[in-house]
Amino acid sequence: DTEVTQTPKHLVMGMTNKKSLKCEQHMGHRAMYWYKQKAKKPPELMFVYSYEKLSINESVPSRFSPECPNSSLLNLHLHALQPEDSALYLCASRSTSGTDTQYFGPGTRLTVL
Amino acid sequence: QKEVEQNSGPLSVPEGAIASLNCTYSDRVSQSFFWYRQYSGKSPELIMSIYSNGDKEDGRFTAQLNKASQYVSLLIRDSQPSDSATYLCAVNMFGGTSYGKLTFGQGTILTVHP
Repeated sequence: DTEVTQTPKHLVMGMTNKKSLKCEQHMGHRAMYWYKQKAKKPPELMFVYSYEKLSINESVPSRFSPECPNSSLLNLHLHALQPEDSALYLCASRSTSGTDTQYFGPGTRLTVL
Repeated sequence: QKEVEQNSGPLSVPEGAIASLNCTYSDRVSQSFFWYRQYSGKSPELIMSIYSNGDKEDGRFTAQLNKASQYVSLLIRDSQPSDSATYLCAVNMFGGTSYGKLTFGQGTILTVHP
């Protein structure tokens, strides 16, 4: 099973709202990723967690706050977003041994009004 | 020079033909290469991974890797309308990190017409 789940599927929020995106995997993967994808562009890496510790932050604005509460769960907390933050937010995970294939979740379509 | 470059497309082929997608990369130490398929509005889905020089076949898909030329390609035989999607080439680049960063090309839009 190579399933990564993400909730919600769609999210509409105002610029003053606080919301969270959730990602879950039960493959025992200890590396998890957040990507942002705008229309007609490839995914852009935002954050990497390995063994529940933040290992890469690609200079993402502080209005995006990641959290990895345990080895199966990854959250992305959103606060004071801008309309240009509207995008598809993708979570991915990969094993830290053996193959380095990343498996993507279905994504959360975020619209900021 | 972009780190991962794909043939610009869009690419249109008739049903039953071979579709050829190409990708070059800049980091000579890269060891892992992937092709993802992405339908409009959906997330990327892994099609093939390749690690060694040569060809790797999986059903109608063949990935080819040439590390000396820093080139990876994907051939889709007997193309079907359901293959119409954006194909993303991705390269795992380490750059001093433990687990690497997946760097994507811009994607090639493939349309297979009946």
